[in-house]
Amino acid sequence: SQQGEEDPQALSIQEGENATMNCSYKTSINNLQWYRQNSGRGLVHLILIRSNEREKHSGRLRVTLDTSKKSSSLLITASRAADTASYFCATDGGSNYKLTFGKGTLLTVNP
Amino acid sequence: DGGITQSPKYLFRKEGQNVTLSCEQNLNHDAMYWYRQDPGQGLRLIYYSQIVNDFQKGDIAEGYSVSREKKESFPLTVTSAQKNPTAFYLCASRQGGLAGELFFGEGSRLTVL
Repeated sequence: SQQGEEDPQALSIQEGENATMNCSYKTSINNLQWYRQNSGRGLVHLILIRSNEREKHSGRLRVTLDTSKKSSSLLITASRAADTASYFCATDGGSNYKLTFGKGTLLTVNP
Repeated sequence: DGGITQSPKYLFRKEGQNVTLSCEQNLNHDAMYWYRQDPGQGLRLIYYSQIVNDFQKGDIAEGYSVSREKKESFPLTVTSAQKNPTAFYLCASRQGGLAGELFFGEGSRLTVL
């Protein structure tokens, strides 16, 4: 079962623009994580936000979490061509060990 | 360097054959996971193991089997009972607990001919 659902499915922007991706989920969580995947590669962890946090920053990344709406957003500022990848949110559904991923947003940054 | 190693990277199999995908980690992590990824899809959990000699079925365990005899190893066998085995398989590990991020291998792409 897919716990998280990203929106949009695909996003194409120009270098220097900001990119925003959204994630909605269905059940309560302990934390929500965002991952990045380059084509044909493994996933790389970007950022984790706990259920009692509302916003978190890491370099050019900004993540927000609204537990009342069961949604999160990932903002990448001043995007670069190297940011081209698929981005996934993952939630634990309150479980200690099981992470569930959405279908991802394919971000294309055009030089 | 610490990390997760998956092998082989590419694998071709004839219908009716079992294949085993290797996953080794030297991160000293307790928990290990196998995910399947189909084109344009998210990751679906096949099996996970929280500790040596213990594992649980994920959402799509039918046609797959695993073992966890050593902390650093979590091999996945794709059996002939798996109806549509062509996919990209990802192994991951984490230390465990509520705040653990997943560390992924580079994946194994299985194609059934």
